[in-house]
Amino acid sequence: SQQGEEDPQALSIQEGENATMNCSYKTSINNLQWYRQNSGRGLVHLILIRSNEREKHSGRLRVTLDTSKKSSSLLITASRAADTASYFCATDAYNNDMRFGAGTRLTVKP
Amino acid sequence: DGGITQSPKYLFRKEGQNVTLSCEQNLNHDAMYWYRQDPGQGLRLIYYSQIVNDFQKGDIAEGYSVSREKKESFPLTVTSAQKNPTAFYLCASCGPTWGYTFGSGTRLTVV
Repeated sequence: SQQGEEDPQALSIQEGENATMNCSYKTSINNLQWYRQNSGRGLVHLILIRSNEREKHSGRLRVTLDTSKKSSSLLITASRAADTASYFCATDAYNNDMRFGAGTRLTVKP
Repeated sequence: DGGITQSPKYLFRKEGQNVTLSCEQNLNHDAMYWYRQDPGQGLRLIYYSQIVNDFQKGDIAEGYSVSREKKESFPLTVTSAQKNPTAFYLCASCGPTWGYTFGSGTRLTVV
């Protein structure tokens, strides 16, 4: 089954620093999405980037997509302690069943 | 407010017992999904349904069953055939123009 794989598995930074997480996938996609999960909670949709887009911004979030390399990155600028969470990428193939990676656990130290 | 509701939040199952997890949405979404999440892991797709009265197996459907009799509801039954059911279960729905909306999850524990 197709699945996004995040890298690194865990990331620890100081408040105010930028956090970059990467995602790789295996087959052609319709779109790629990033989600956030606080411990023991459901996932919250952050941003969607379509296969014909290369970059997208939403507030402090910047997502890039390189379909030739089958990879995406999520950049969180000026991180805050409240950004501490797990971040998942998910790929949506044309049959519309979403697959998730194992996630990156981000810790932002105050 | 539109949203997706999972119940119960915590569920305990005895060995050999079937249990049913509830998932209800009032977002008028056609597609609904069930995922399983083990500690420190990503989500694995159990079943999904893109329309009422139709559903498809995901990657780990063995030991689980679903029904989709109404658009709003997509209950998941964890049967006694599922040998390792202790996990966090997440339900999601998806409409035509946005990403997935997730419920807050059900934590199932075998006692």
